[in-house]
Order: sequence, then structure tokens, then C-alpha cells
Amino acid sequence: GQQVMQIPQYQHVQEGEDFTTYCNSSTTLSNIQWYKQRPGGHPVFLIQLVKSGEVKKQKRLTFQFGEAKKNSSLHITATQTTDVGTYFCAGGATNKLIFGTGTLLAVQP
Amino acid sequence: DTEVTQTPKHLVMGMTNKKSLKCEQHMGHRAMYWYKQKAKKPPELMFVYSYEKLSINESVPSRFSPECPNSSLLNLHLHALQPEDSALYLCASSQERGGQFKAFFGQGTRLTVV
Repeated sequence: GQQVMQIPQYQHVQEGEDFTTYCNSSTTLSNIQWYKQRPGGHPVFLIQLVKSGEVKKQKRLTFQFGEAKKNSSLHITATQTTDVGTYFCAGGATNKLIFGTGTLLAVQP
Repeated sequence: DTEVTQTPKHLVMGMTNKKSLKCEQHMGHRAMYWYKQKAKKPPELMFVYSYEKLSINESVPSRFSPECPNSSLLNLHLHALQPEDSALYLCASSQERGGQFKAFFGQGTRLTVV
């Protein structure tokens, strides 16, 4: 079946350092969504990318969708302690979302 | 702030108990979902309802029984669960069924089966 993998599984950074998580799908996606889940919380929608090669920015967060629509990345510039949590990509399939394996980000003050 | 409300927030039940999880949304969304999430894992889709009809059952054991009484409500009836069913159960909704619509998640019910 369709799989969406993320690397790394876990990243520990010092506050102020940059962070990137990568998302790879075994099949071409119609779109990619990104969610953030704080510890003890629930997934919260961040953004959706639809077009091949699309790049979107939200303040310190930059999201990219690959040209082949099979991969995506999330880059955070100058991490803050509020960025702590697990970041999931979710690939849009015909009738559902396929969640990636997630990257847990820890930020040390 | 979540606009999908789930009750209860925590639930402990025995293996012979029957319980129900409830989910409510008032955003006019026509698709509602149940996900199961184990610790350090992604949400795993269980059921999808579209226009109050069950459209996807991801081969979930029959001890989990979903119900959609109306377009705003979604229930998950639990019976004869096993300890390995302990997890965070998340309800979500989206404008329509499909991976192109963003999902709004509730805060979840943390279920412990003893």
C-alpha cells in the first residue's frame, strides 16, 4: 500500500538553530499537508501544498513540494521552544489522507 | 482552538465493558473521521463517514462500531476491547471527504483498557 516516510524520526536542536524534516511518498500525491502535534495534544493543520514545485512560507516556516509530487520538506529557521512537537506530513490520496511517520522536534533553550 | 469536540477526554474501561466515544462539530463539514494513535506513531485511519454514510472502514475489528446519527455527530461504540486497543482516539472532520481537504482534529479521547 501507499507509504509516506519522514526523516529524521527525532531531532534535538539548540534554540536558534535551524531544523528540516523530509517527507517521501511511495506514490505521486495530489497534494501534501503538514500538521503539528504538541506533546499531549492533537494534530493541528499548518499548510497545504498542491502544485508541483510549490514553496510556501509562514513566518519562520518554509514548506516545499517536490517537482514529482512525491516528496516535501518543512524547514524552520531559528527554532524557538514553542516549535517543540511532532511534525507530520500527510499525503492526499483519492479519498483520504496518508500520514507520514512524523518527526519529533526537541528544542533546548 | 479546536472546533471539534470529543468526550470524554479520558476513559478507563475493562475488557468486558461497553462504552462510547462522542465527537461533535458545527462547521458544516460533511466528512468525519475516526483515527487511532499509539504513542510516538502517526494517526492511523479507522473509519470515514461522508454525508452521514460510512465510506471507508480500514479493516477495523468489529469490537469498534462507528455511528453517525447526524451530520454534526460521530460516535464510536466500544465493546470487548483488548489492552492493545489502549491509545489516543482522534475524531476529525473536513469540508468534504478526500485528501485535498484539510482536517480539523478534536483533542482526542485517551483510552486505557484494563
